[in-house]
Amino acid sequence: AQSVAQPEDQVNVAEGNPLTVKCTYSVSGNPYLFWYVQYPNRGLQFLLKYITGDNLVKGSYGFEAEFNKSQTSFHLKKPSALVSDSALYFCAVRDHSGGYQKVTFGTGTKLQVIP
Amino acid sequence: DVKVTQSSRYLVKRTGEKVFLECVQDMDHENMFWYRQDPGLGLRLIYFSYDVKMKEKGDIPEGYSVSREKKERFSLILESASTNQTSMYLCASRGAITTYEQYFGPGTRLTVT
Repeated sequence: AQSVAQPEDQVNVAEGNPLTVKCTYSVSGNPYLFWYVQYPNRGLQFLLKYITGDNLVKGSYGFEAEFNKSQTSFHLKKPSALVSDSALYFCAVRDHSGGYQKVTFGTGTKLQVIP
Repeated sequence: DVKVTQSSRYLVKRTGEKVFLECVQDMDHENMFWYRQDPGLGLRLIYFSYDVKMKEKGDIPEGYSVSREKKERFSLILESASTNQTSMYLCASRGAITTYEQYFGPGTRLTVT
């Protein structure tokens, strides 16, 4: 079975400071990893993904994430937070060793960027 | 850009009613998904479909059914709505295997009274 953990329900960061939103995963095979963002009263938007290759993945809106196989983590980062980054962030994993299409989502982390 | 639309943003229904939630995507995607989103629980997969007339149960299919008669349209049906089905419902689509990421609709907030 595959699973995702987002240990923080909420992360607060001052505008201009670096931000990190944490994610750890568990899969039996090799993972596909994703980050999505949800703004209030909206659906989820894809931010970035790790499939294979370079462990540092760059995505939309200046976000990046680092895949760490030994720590089974895929933390989302941004060097300088904006107030407009305030939203709900979801990490997701898919085990690509199986034929099943299912992606498992974490419970979400609310990011609050304080002006 | 991929566009996924859902028939209603907000819906209020009474207990016992049959409820239809419609989802349409415009990118010829093979795979379509229905999730429900609840605070503290994240997204949970209800059903998905990988082709017309094909469907697979997700993690929480009880009380729901789906229909996919055309490639672009995936419907979620609540046969007899109950108050514990009050939730945000999100539809998503995904293309061929090399696409990987899912594209989401804006969501339908369903309240069952």
